[in-house]
Amino acid sequence: EIVLTQSPGTLSLSPGERATLSCRASQSVSNSYLAWYQQKPGQAPRLLIYGATRRATGIPDRFSGSGSGTDFTLTISRLEPEDFAVYYCQQYGSSPLYTFGQGTKLEIK
Amino acid sequence: VQLVESGGGVVQPGGSLRLSCAASGFTFSTYAIHWVRQAPGKGLEWVAVISYDGYNTYYADSVKGRFTISRDNSKSTVFLQMNTLRSEDTGVYYCAKGSSGNYFDAFHFWGQGTMVTVSS
Repeated sequence: EIVLTQSPGTLSLSPGERATLSCRASQSVSNSYLAWYQQKPGQAPRLLIYGATRRATGIPDRFSGSGSGTDFTLTISRLEPEDFAVYYCQQYGSSPLYTFGQGTKLEIK
Repeated sequence: VQLVESGGGVVQPGGSLRLSCAASGFTFSTYAIHWVRQAPGKGLEWVAVISYDGYNTYYADSVKGRFTISRDNSKSTVFLQMNTLRSEDTGVYYCAKGSSGNYFDAFHFWGQGTMVTVSS
């Protein structure tokens, strides 16, 4: 089983700043089958990025993903007030077993 | 695309519960469907997946032997039968699907979730 470790656990930033979230895998993620989700309180997760770099439908271009192998990054170029939430990475390369990271909470400074 | 979960509630430890996920807006019989859960204040945990035709199922180790996923393509519904429930099974249960029909896909669409509480 691939273990995903996200860092930092909590990130405190101000609107307009740049956010960089990390996701490290315990072994290489096949074909960069790595996704990022955003979750706000009381809501279901929303897919932001899949295939490590591809934005999901309707996701603003301030969200971008990068990385391959074992190291992946989600970048939010300029934070908007609605971006403060919890973010999860997920690998779906060792299917049919899927694993999520423990999450990074992005909070307003 | 719409996924609507139902069937959650309060159950005693050792009890059973059956969740449903009713789908619409897409050709249901061509997609694998997943269950994902989230304990209160915790992260996401994948639970189970069923293939488009129902012939293949896979489970997380934490639920293997206790949970059974099934589907009725004539009713566009997926079920999660949960037996021998434990307190650690408490949480919100979501159903989810990808944008393609295969397993190697992110979860593009999610339901709103249904709450399961295992408590005496």
